[in-house]
Amino acid sequence: QKEVEQDPGPLSVPEGAIVSLNCTYSNSAFQYFMWYRQYSRKGPELLMYTYSSGNKEDGRFTAQVDKSSKYISLFIRDSQPSDSATYLCAGGPGGGADGLTFGKGTHLIIQP
Amino acid sequence: NAGVTQTPKFRILKIGQSMTLQCTQDMNHNYMYWYRQDPGMGLKLIYYSVGAGITDKGEVPNGYNVSRSTTEDFPLRLELAAPSQTSVYFCASSLQGNNYGYTFGSGTRLTVV
Repeated sequence: QKEVEQDPGPLSVPEGAIVSLNCTYSNSAFQYFMWYRQYSRKGPELLMYTYSSGNKEDGRFTAQVDKSSKYISLFIRDSQPSDSATYLCAGGPGGGADGLTFGKGTHLIIQP
Repeated sequence: NAGVTQTPKFRILKIGQSMTLQCTQDMNHNYMYWYRQDPGMGLKLIYYSVGAGITDKGEVPNGYNVSRSTTEDFPLRLELAAPSQTSVYFCASSLQGNNYGYTFGSGTRLTVV
């Protein structure tokens, strides 16, 4: 079973707020987890990747993985209107080459 | 450094026609992928390749074919286009498979009428 579940939104928050985006997954073999940002009519761009459980921070973005509950999170601090986009989470088994499994994406709107 | 380049950006096909979506990357990545993205349905893997001469089916391969004669190029062939193939197609490449994520192209928006 290869599924990643994600609330499609839209999620609308005021500028400057902390945003929390979440996914759940079902495949216990997943070791690598990614977050992609996709602007309208553009290709997905890699924001962050993490390996196994734990946190990873990059600027205003923090990715969090809890493998025990099969839960993936992305936090955006000091959100900006330019963060308005669709955010895709993805997972895949370690060392695998047969493709990541993507969630359907959450549409995020940051209101100025 | 262009990354992953897809052509064409847009195309309208009539039912039963065929076409090739082009994808090329200049990062010397061994792994390449084709995904389709339908509204509200997320990205679905069509085919992937782990190197020149090696291809394998993904989740939704029916109606498509691929080849990988060079490291750089991974074209996707649509035979006998059907309305169900109306979608946005993304090509992606990776240095180490699922590790560290993929670099995506900007997509080809295909409509079959």
